[in-house]
Amino acid sequence: NAGVMQNPRHLVRRRGQEARLRCSPMKGHSHVYWYRQLPEEGLKFMVYLQKENIIDESGMPKERFSAEFPKEGPSILRIQQVVRGDSAAYFCASSPTTGGNSPLHFGNGTRLTVT
Amino acid sequence: GESVGLHLPTLSVQEGDNSIINCAYSNSASDYFIWYKQESGKGPQFIIDIRSNMDKRQGQRVTVLLNKTVKHLSLQIAATQPGDSAVYFCAVITGANSKLTFGKGITLSVRP
Repeated sequence: NAGVMQNPRHLVRRRGQEARLRCSPMKGHSHVYWYRQLPEEGLKFMVYLQKENIIDESGMPKERFSAEFPKEGPSILRIQQVVRGDSAAYFCASSPTTGGNSPLHFGNGTRLTVT
Repeated sequence: GESVGLHLPTLSVQEGDNSIINCAYSNSASDYFIWYKQESGKGPQFIIDIRSNMDKRQGQRVTVLLNKTVKHLSLQIAATQPGDSAVYFCAVITGANSKLTFGKGITLSVRP
């Protein structure tokens, strides 16, 4: 029974390049959340998606960041024209229902380093 | 908005002792509370949760206490073991469709 799968585990990009982070939720889970964690910090909410819909993107930066969760395939967090400040660990979580009814299950994250 | 805080950034305990980790939240309408454990290089791992209609819930070696009057949440770990060393986060949800808001995290170190 696989958990939340994220890839790649580590991603290095030069400034100005694009970063694509992938997340496959647990089987049977249709709700996906993305969080960002800086060193020595807690997790900051970015976006909440259900299949083909963005439900809450209040934590997403206004520019360069986008997310999708297509009908088929993993959820993708896309960062265009990366800058050094984008270096962080990005975690994906999934749940079978809305977050208020069941705990979120997290993947092991993608650690993005921008050089 | 919701703010969630932990009272101390680090906690050191002797192996075999009990650990208590505290958390305060700001929104009295918060109705679902979760404790997570994060080990180095890994994602947060669910430990235990509690809803606002309860004030205590027990799991295996862990107990969560909720005091809604003072908006305080605690995690108690019995007979702390070296494998319990990690960063612990409390997280709260307010409303059915709201996001999970995390506190900053407390590092638990277990002395042999």
